[in-house]
Amino acid sequence: GDSVTQMEGPVTLSEEAFLTINCTYTATGYPSLFWYVQYPGEGLQLLLKATKADDKGSNKGFEATYRKETTSFHLEKGSVQVSDSAVYFCALAGGGADGLTFGKGTHLIIQP
Amino acid sequence: EAGVAQSPRYKIIEKRQSVAFWCNPISGHATLYWYQQILGQGPKLLIQFQNNGVVDDSQLPKDRFSAERLKGVDSTLKIQPAKLEDSAVYLCASSLYQGAQYTEAFFGQGTRLTVV
Repeated sequence: GDSVTQMEGPVTLSEEAFLTINCTYTATGYPSLFWYVQYPGEGLQLLLKATKADDKGSNKGFEATYRKETTSFHLEKGSVQVSDSAVYFCALAGGGADGLTFGKGTHLIIQP
Repeated sequence: EAGVAQSPRYKIIEKRQSVAFWCNPISGHATLYWYQQILGQGPKLLIQFQNNGVVDDSQLPKDRFSAERLKGVDSTLKIQPAKLEDSAVYLCASSLYQGAQYTEAFFGQGTRLTVV
């Protein structure tokens, strides 16, 4: 079945550091890929998405590129802020209205 | 626009008791999902409804879990009898249905269940 593997946390960085959170996936066909974020005390929110190979999703300074050849969708941000502290989930969906398959999540802590 | 509403926010029950969770999706959203999120793990899909019909319940433990979506709007998820390993956050999500085109799923804040 489909699966998502993302780097274990917590990841602790200083403000303005460069961020990479690795995500790789296993799926049949051509899934859509997503990053969701969960801020403390809030529900899951879609951060960005990519629906086909070589697409780049971006939002709030974060970006990720759908790499079919390496089955990866790594999340990056050039300069993180304390407000980016949250849990980040990589996910995939096999079809348009399919349920999501999530990774285990990566807890990101940004120190001032 | 109102988001996905869930209740209760927290519930503590003893093992072997029963419990029910309620979800009201975003108005007009045909697709509704229930996910289980165990501490330290990502959410796992339990069941997916399209209007009031079940699309996918392959990961729902049907000996103890049941769910319904009457009139294609609100949904309830029930556990009877509960086990210790059912302790988790239960998330409801909804999305528009546009055939093969992906539409974003919006999540509620979840119900945190503790079974003691």
